[in-house]
Amino acid sequence: DAKTTQPNSMESNEEEPVHLPCNHSTISGTDYIHWYRQLPSQGPEYVIHGLTSNVNNRMASLAIAEDRKSSTLILHRATLRDAAVYYCIPASNTGKLIFGQGTTLQVKP
Amino acid sequence: GAVVSQHPSRVICKSGTSVKIECRSLDFQATTMFWYRQFPKKSLMLMATSNEGSKATYEQGVEKDKFLINHASLTLSTLTVTSAHPEDSSFYICSARGQLTPINYGYTFGSGTRLTVV
Repeated sequence: DAKTTQPNSMESNEEEPVHLPCNHSTISGTDYIHWYRQLPSQGPEYVIHGLTSNVNNRMASLAIAEDRKSSTLILHRATLRDAAVYYCIPASNTGKLIFGQGTTLQVKP
Repeated sequence: GAVVSQHPSRVICKSGTSVKIECRSLDFQATTMFWYRQFPKKSLMLMATSNEGSKATYEQGVEKDKFLINHASLTLSTLTVTSAHPEDSSFYICSARGQLTPINYGYTFGSGTRLTVV
């Protein structure tokens, strides 16, 4: 399983963009980069995932480095509801997800 | 779409008893289900992977006789914590994915079960 490195915590102001980085230098060529987030006492929620190209959905954007050794989750306008632990997980599209420590995002009003 | 229901959300049981947690996929067929546990302020730890109709595959260090997993149908998987002890108190979470899940969908997680053994 590929190892990931994420900042333990980050802060953002409400309504501002947030860039959450993740290093996954040992990722295999077929692993997707998954992002999930978890609020306290809840199950993780899917955010986005991609393989090589940048991806956009209604929740966020995912920017993947050309060498695929890192990626950045972009929340375009943070809200208080975006405060959560964000996990970056390299995995196949059908394999198991192994969670790292994640980044705790605090959003200040 | 892609909803997973986990029940119960909270359970308190006496030491030595067994507890069953259910995980249901409501609107898709879950060919693979995963079970995790999470201690306070820690990340999720994968316990086992189950495929419908097959025996579960347990991660290293997880006692298969203590954590019984059954995935008898494409919409239901159960985790039974047998002879529970206080150290089994944790937040248990299931996840599911279907063979026909669209490629731009991720894995769907249940809302978790808080188990307290007294």
